[in-house]
Amino acid sequence: NAGVTQTPKFQVLKTGQSMTLQCAQDMNHNSMYWYRQDPGMGLRLIYYSASEGTTDKGEVPNGYNVSRLNKREFSLRLESAAPSQTSVYFCASSDPSRVNTEAFFGQGTRLTVV
Amino acid sequence: EDQVTQSPEALRLQEGESSSLNCSYTVSGLRGLFWYRQDPGKGPEFLFTLYSAGEEKEKERLKATLTKKESFLHITAPKPEDSATYLCAVRGTSGRNTPLVFGKGTRLSVIA
Repeated sequence: NAGVTQTPKFQVLKTGQSMTLQCAQDMNHNSMYWYRQDPGMGLRLIYYSASEGTTDKGEVPNGYNVSRLNKREFSLRLESAAPSQTSVYFCASSDPSRVNTEAFFGQGTRLTVV
Repeated sequence: EDQVTQSPEALRLQEGESSSLNCSYTVSGLRGLFWYRQDPGKGPEFLFTLYSAGEEKEKERLKATLTKKESFLHITAPKPEDSATYLCAVRGTSGRNTPLVFGKGTRLSVIA
């Protein structure tokens, strides 16, 4: 049981390049999330998907787009990368219909924009 | 707006020296307070969920408690392997689908 899987684990982009971060979960969870983590800032929510077919903005959505491809997969796209998007990105999932509603996290994607 | 404040930012303990980490929160309608452990280069790992004031949960050397305004993570006789960043998060407002809001974490170092 892999849990939440993120790819790639590391990426270096040049300013202006685009890329998509992939996330898949095998726990049959309805809700999925993208967070970014920066030194001294904690985890900040970028976008989330409460259920298949829905997406909503979080605290820091500018410069990002998301796609909930199906119940398992939730991708994050950077259309034109900027140095300010250098960060560690975490995908998470949870199932609000269960008794225990904690979120489970992937191992992260470390992105550097030069 | 839901908010979480953790203190201290960093804590250095000698092995065996017990202490507590604090998590203060403001939320409309608490639907859960969560504690996570994060090791360097890894994703957060779930530890506890607390749902109502007075509730306590324990796991090995860790015990989490909850009041209406704050939560404490008590660490009893810590070992070097307890060194990590501990994150606190809340889910509130509109219900079980609401994303978690995180504090900035407490970086714990336990010295042998």
